Amino acid sequence: NAGVTQTPKFQVLKTGQSMTLQCAQDMNHNSMYWYRQDPGMGLRLIYYSASEGTTDKGEVPNGYNVSRLNKREFSLRLESAAPSQTSVYFCASSEARTGGLLANYGYTFGSGTRLTVV
Amino acid sequence: AQTVTQSQPEMSVQEAETVTLSCTYDTSESNYYLFWYKQPPSRQMILVIRQEAYKQQNATENRFSVNFQKAAKSFSLKISDSQLGDTAMYFCAFMKLSNQFYFGTGTSLTVIP
Repeated sequence: NAGVTQTPKFQVLKTGQSMTLQCAQDMNHNSMYWYRQDPGMGLRLIYYSASEGTTDKGEVPNGYNVSRLNKREFSLRLESAAPSQTSVYFCASSEARTGGLLANYGYTFGSGTRLTVV
Repeated sequence: AQTVTQSQPEMSVQEAETVTLSCTYDTSESNYYLFWYKQPPSRQMILVIRQEAYKQQNATENRFSVNFQKAAKSFSLKISDSQLGDTAMYFCAFMKLSNQFYFGTGTSLTVIP
């Protein structure tokens, strides 16, 4: 049972280069998320997808785009990388139900991608 | 707006001792969930314990327990019999019923042999 799989684990980009971070989950979760983690700032939401076919901006969406390719996959794209995007990126998934109580609530995280933009 | 505050950036504890990590949050919601996640040097985010706000009984998971004070909006984590493998960054998190998560800035815990 793989859970949430992120690739790559490490990446170094030059300023202006583009790349796509891949994320896939095998838990049949509806919702998927992309976070970035920076020292002293915890995890900040970049984009999320409440269900297949929908995406929404989070707290820090500038400089990023996402694609919910299907229920399993949610990718994050940096079109023109900047040094300010040097961070650790986490993908996560969860069950989704609007209102009510979830039987198995909470996030499952991928193992993270350490991205350095030089 | 929801905020989660962890006022202790760093803490240390002697092996086998007990340590408490504090977390406070601010919300106008009445039903929600609270979590503690552990992030060891491997970087993986691991769920430690979770609590439903409607439950008055504090959650426990082996050596980990919480002190949930809903009126005070406080959700502290107690680690008993600390082990070297507990060395990690610990994040407190709040989740609304709509599935939106809010994380604290983390507490770095070091267990000293």
